[in-house]
Amino acid sequence: DQQVKQNSPSLSVQEGRISILNCDYTNSMFDYFLWYKKYPAEGPTFLISISSIKDKNEDGRFTVFLNKSAKHLSLHIVPSQPGDSAVYFCAAHRVGGSNYKLTFGKGTLLTVNP
Amino acid sequence: GAGVSQTPSNKVTEKGKYVELRCDPISGHTALYWYRQSLGQGPEFLIYFQGTGAADDSGLPNDRFFAVRPEGSVSTLKIQRTERGDSAVYLCASSLTFGGLEQYFGPGTRLTVT
Repeated sequence: DQQVKQNSPSLSVQEGRISILNCDYTNSMFDYFLWYKKYPAEGPTFLISISSIKDKNEDGRFTVFLNKSAKHLSLHIVPSQPGDSAVYFCAAHRVGGSNYKLTFGKGTLLTVNP
Repeated sequence: GAGVSQTPSNKVTEKGKYVELRCDPISGHTALYWYRQSLGQGPEFLIYFQGTGAADDSGLPNDRFFAVRPEGSVSTLKIQRTERGDSAVYLCASSLTFGGLEQYFGPGTRLTVT
């Protein structure tokens, strides 16, 4: 049972436009969400995160929006650049308790065309 | 500073053999995690350590998999009697503190079982 779902395996956008990557989750115990970016032959690198007590977090060109009632989050990249081309993973975390593992989605391959 | 390093970067082994995969976390990071990423999937949690002890090994698929971290720094993931289904990229991550929400990943070890 996939608790974190990224339903779009790929997305292609033009340079300068907005990229929107989506993520849905089913476990209401998740209360912290992260986006990771992964280039080929490298490990995932942390991009941006959001706590469930917020609905938006912005860092430069990257903004994450959280709709807790819909169990949905999205990552917006504006403006998109060719160097943003990578696989983006949504991950969720349950703060507290004794389990600190991250639960990942399957990823979305973003291609930004020059 | 140095990030998380993993050796070897690639490992090809025959079915039934034993393999060891090594992870060097970021210096000073107390928590260490192992994940496995199969083709087309996101990373899946295997085990994590707080210091020398395995705090949660619920993600290990069976008793052929074992991991140690004897001095609270370097960790080794050990797989006995390898099977073709074990072929995947094995990722190691570390975080500064127990429950640290931002995990820093190494480049992974690509294991191929023939």
